[in-house]
Amino acid sequence: SQTIHQWPATLVQPVGSPLSLECTVEGTSNPNLYWYRQAAGRGLQLLFYSVGIGQISSEVPQNLSASRPQDRQFILSSKKLLLSDSGFYLCAWRPGSRETQYFGPGTRLLVL
Amino acid sequence: DAKTTQPPSMDCAEGRAANLPCNHSTISGNEYVYWYRQIHSQGPQYIIHGLKNNETNEMASLIITEDRKSSTLILPHATLRDTAVYYCITSYGNKLVFGAGTILRVKS
Repeated sequence: SQTIHQWPATLVQPVGSPLSLECTVEGTSNPNLYWYRQAAGRGLQLLFYSVGIGQISSEVPQNLSASRPQDRQFILSSKKLLLSDSGFYLCAWRPGSRETQYFGPGTRLLVL
Repeated sequence: DAKTTQPPSMDCAEGRAANLPCNHSTISGNEYVYWYRQIHSQGPQYIIHGLKNNETNEMASLIITEDRKSSTLILPHATLRDTAVYYCITSYGNKLVFGAGTILRVKS
């Protein structure tokens, strides 16, 4: 069966510090991968998605970037965090040939 | 922007059926209707999806109107653990646009 991992589960970072969040999927190959963010009390917003290694599509301009160095690895990064980057970051995957996305457990980021 | 409209909140008695409505009047012919739920502090959980026909799985049933402009998610016997935010989404699958959803409160 397929499993999606995210780490860390929680993170507290100072403003201006760098960020690296990692997402990995097990038990599948060539998945579509997604990063979402959920601000406190708000709905989920799609940030990036990837259909293959090195292929990244950005949905909103922002302080963040994404990379996909391996087939089942998706990384969310920032060079300098802003207060507004605080939120709940969720990684999701979708089998290439099917319709449904499945979400990971999320990383809760607090920027102080 | 989300292309669906849901009531902001609903209450349901434990053990009774919970019927969550969703309007999606601008749905296109090849868009699916997806339902997810999010329990506090967790990632969204996939519930069910459908294109035209009604669907049922171990979690819920999805009833889609013939014109596809609205749908209803049915939890047949709601439990306290079903308390969550329920999201109705129309999509081809690659991009999910989440709205505010419906807060379902199951009460004993």
